[in-house]
Amino acid sequence: EPEVTQTPSHQVTQMGQEVILRCVPISNHLYFYWYRQILGQKVEFLVSFYNNEISEKSEIFDDQFSVERPDGSNFTLKIRSTKLEDSAMYFCASSYEGGQAFFGQGTRLTVV
Amino acid sequence: DAKTTQPPSMDCAEGRAANLPCNHSTISGNEYVYWYRQIHSQGPQYIIHGLKNNETNEMASLIITEDRKSSTLILPHATLRDTAVYYCIPNAGGTSYGKLTFGQGTILTVHP
Repeated sequence: EPEVTQTPSHQVTQMGQEVILRCVPISNHLYFYWYRQILGQKVEFLVSFYNNEISEKSEIFDDQFSVERPDGSNFTLKIRSTKLEDSAMYFCASSYEGGQAFFGQGTRLTVV
Repeated sequence: DAKTTQPPSMDCAEGRAANLPCNHSTISGNEYVYWYRQIHSQGPQYIIHGLKNNETNEMASLIITEDRKSSTLILPHATLRDTAVYYCIPNAGGTSYGKLTFGQGTILTVHP
């Protein structure tokens, strides 16, 4: 069964450093998303990406964040200068049509 | 986004049916009801969705009231592996970019 894969599964970084979280969505999907979940809290939408551009973003997705689909298969989330409060699980998801999304297993980002 | 109300927790005996309710009285006419679950910090998993007719798939059944203000997810024979947080999420599906707004959900505990 096709699945969304995310790498790495765990990333530890120092405050102020840049991180790139990587995702390989399901190949024929058209919509791509990043969500995050701070420990013990709700899953929160960050950004959606369609037709090679951001279609919607939340208030969390400020100038520190960017997304890219550099080569038609990978989908990346970059955090330019990490803060302690960026520590969370980050989930990538993809869908063929909006609503029925398939999620990856997540990258646990720890900022120290 | 339509607001949802779900009980914070429910218990179910293994092998019995689990019936998870959700109120979504402000749902729009074009919004489907999607159900997802999250097993212990894994990525959310799609279960089922419907617009106004009842739906069934290999995982679950979905009963939507005629006025569409509430729905019930039914796991017909719950197993220990069904222990998870269950979310009902109104979403316009293929007519939207698919941003999912997760609430607190219902923690379902299946016990032997």
